[in-house]
Amino acid sequence: EAGVAQSPRYKIIEKRQSVAFWCNPISGHATLYWYQQILGQGPKLLIQFQNNGVVDDSQLPKDRFSAERLKGVDSTLKIQPAKLEDSAVYLCASSLSSGGSYEQYFGPGTRLTVT
Amino acid sequence: SQQGEEDPQALSIQEGENATMNCSYKTSINNLQWYRQNSGRGLVHLILIRSNEREKHSGRLRVTLDTSKKSSSLLITASRAADTASYFCATLRASGSRLTFGEGTQLTVNP
Repeated sequence: EAGVAQSPRYKIIEKRQSVAFWCNPISGHATLYWYQQILGQGPKLLIQFQNNGVVDDSQLPKDRFSAERLKGVDSTLKIQPAKLEDSAVYLCASSLSSGGSYEQYFGPGTRLTVT
Repeated sequence: SQQGEEDPQALSIQEGENATMNCSYKTSINNLQWYRQNSGRGLVHLILIRSNEREKHSGRLRVTLDTSKKSSSLLITASRAADTASYFCATLRASGSRLTFGEGTQLTVNP
C-alpha cells in the first residue's frame, strides 16, 4: 500500500514570497490533515478535511494560509505572504475517517525555510 | 496550551535497557495515542488506548493510562538502537475531533 506522498521535500523562500505544498493521501482515506511542526515541538493541526469539506480550521492563520482539497483526494496548502516564523516542517496525514479514533498515517513532510 | 506534555524531554539509555516516557494532559479525553518520529521523517502511529482502558501491549511496547491522574506512560522493553527517535503522545478530547500533540521525548539508545 502506497503511503502519503508530499512534495516538495524541501523549500527555501524569502519572506513575503508565496509557497505551495502538495499532498496525496492514501487511497480510500476520507480524512486529510495538515500539520505544522516547528523545530523541537509537536505537530499542530492547521486544517482537517473530511472528503472535500473542512472539519476544523480553527488554528489556520487565514490571513496568509489557505488550503483546498479538490475532489476529496489531493490537497494543497498555500502560504502567501510567508513570514520568518512560518519556517517549519509541514506534515500531511490521512486516515480512513475522522473522529480521532482512526490511526493517522503521515507523509515525510515538507521542510520550509523562510529567510 | 499543550494538552499533552511529555516527560522527560530527553532520555539516553543503553541497548537492552527499558525506556519509560510519561505524558500528562489537562482535560477529559476520548483516547490517547503514541507516535514515533525518526529524524527527518513523518510520524508513525504506535498504539491507541481508550479512556476506559488501563493498559495495552503491542510487541515490546506497553502503554498505561490513569485517567484519575490524567497521565499515561509508554514503556519500551529491551530497547534497540533502532528505537532512537522522538516519541509523542497525542490526546483526543472527549468533546472534540482534533488530536493534540505534546512536545515529545527524544530517546537515544546507545549501541
